[in-house]
Amino acid sequence: DAGVIQSPRHEVTEMGQEVTLRCKPISGHDYLFWYRQTMMRGLELLIYFNNNVPIDDSGMPEDRFSAKMPNASFSTLKIQPSEPRDSAVYFCASSSTGQIYEQYFGPGTRLTVT
Amino acid sequence: AQSVTQLGSHVSVSEGALVLLRCNYSSSVPPYLFWYVQYPNQGLQLLLKYTTGATLVKGINGFEAEFKKSETSFHLTKPSAHMSDAAEYFCAVSDRRTGGFKTIFGAGTRLFVKA
Repeated sequence: DAGVIQSPRHEVTEMGQEVTLRCKPISGHDYLFWYRQTMMRGLELLIYFNNNVPIDDSGMPEDRFSAKMPNASFSTLKIQPSEPRDSAVYFCASSSTGQIYEQYFGPGTRLTVT
Repeated sequence: AQSVTQLGSHVSVSEGALVLLRCNYSSSVPPYLFWYVQYPNQGLQLLLKYTTGATLVKGINGFEAEFKKSETSFHLTKPSAHMSDAAEYFCAVSDRRTGGFKTIFGAGTRLFVKA
């Protein structure tokens, strides 16, 4: 079975540009999580969805960040406008109600904002 | 609020030696506890988890961890290290009240294995 798929794997952009990160969860999973990993702050939960509905977005750093899940097989994390401090690895993870304790992570998107 | 402290950002062991990675947690309610492993340029992979029941939990790749409520600890061990165990390890805690959905991760411990 395919795991969690993220695209792109690497993104380099200039400050002020819009960035869109994409995630395809594992088929059948009804929970989707977005995390950010940096050396300074470690792994932080940004937002999570259940059945395509955002449940907790308290980790979203500011209004420049937004996330959507238009259907069960696709989610986006958008940063507009991007800033150098947004440089990080962004992970998407999914899980199912029956195995909520087991989150399956994608390979991540390494974002560099210059 | 919940928190996780991993003692030692780097641990180095010789191949064949015992691996011990330390994790202490803070939680006002009985927690769910996890260990994840991250290999270079990859996402995190669940090694093992404690939810209820037996306090000694066995995971993949020969790892195990013991939940000690009195010590608020959940240390990860492996009797004999392999070169392939070199990776970063994360301890994590979830709140039972939220059904375990919101997971707090520790800062991570990078394990080096010497030949």
